[in-house]
Amino acid sequence: SQTIHQWPATLVQPVGSPLSLECTVEGTSNPNLYWYRQAAGRGLQLLFYSVGIGQISSEVPQNLSASRPQDRQFILSSKKLLLSDSGFYLCACKPLTSTGETQYFGPGTRLLVL
Amino acid sequence: GENVEQHPSTLSVQEGDSAVIKCTYSDSASNYFPWYKQELGKGPQLIIDIRSNVGEKKDQRIAVTLNKTAKHFSLHITETQPEDSAVYFCAARKGNTASKLTFGTGTRLQVTL
Repeated sequence: SQTIHQWPATLVQPVGSPLSLECTVEGTSNPNLYWYRQAAGRGLQLLFYSVGIGQISSEVPQNLSASRPQDRQFILSSKKLLLSDSGFYLCACKPLTSTGETQYFGPGTRLLVL
Repeated sequence: GENVEQHPSTLSVQEGDSAVIKCTYSDSASNYFPWYKQELGKGPQLIIDIRSNVGEKKDQRIAVTLNKTAKHFSLHITETQPEDSAVYFCAARKGNTASKLTFGTGTRLQVTL
């Protein structure tokens, strides 16, 4: 079964600083990968998804970007953080070999922009 | 696009009672409906899912029902326990869209002793 790693677990960054959050997946090949953001006490908003290396689709216009340099690596970045970028960032994976449609989530990164 | 509404936003039940969370979706082409449980500070965990060719699915104390005509689906938890306390999210997926899920806004379930 797949395992999703995210780091760091928590991050406090000043406004205007850059950001790089990393997600790696073990136990599956060629998965679909997703980045979600969850604001405090709210639902999950899909930010980006990727169906393969170098293939990124953006769901909402924003201050963030994503990249997939390797099959099982998904990176969320920003050149200059805004206060509104604070939130809980979740990486999710849908294994290619899964007969279902299930997405599995990582443990998340809590980002606080001050 | 798809829109998923979830009710109630908070739910408090006594231990041993049942809890029901309801979701409606807008896109009749949606064909997969998972439910996730999220404990504080953790990522969501899948607890049960249902596909559009099935009307009901049960796994021990958890069941999900789907009414395609009305475009709504519900999560039922029986004999609730304190460890069921968490935030629950429903989601809907439209076929052939890279498996993108649209999530409801979540229900905070509190099981009291």
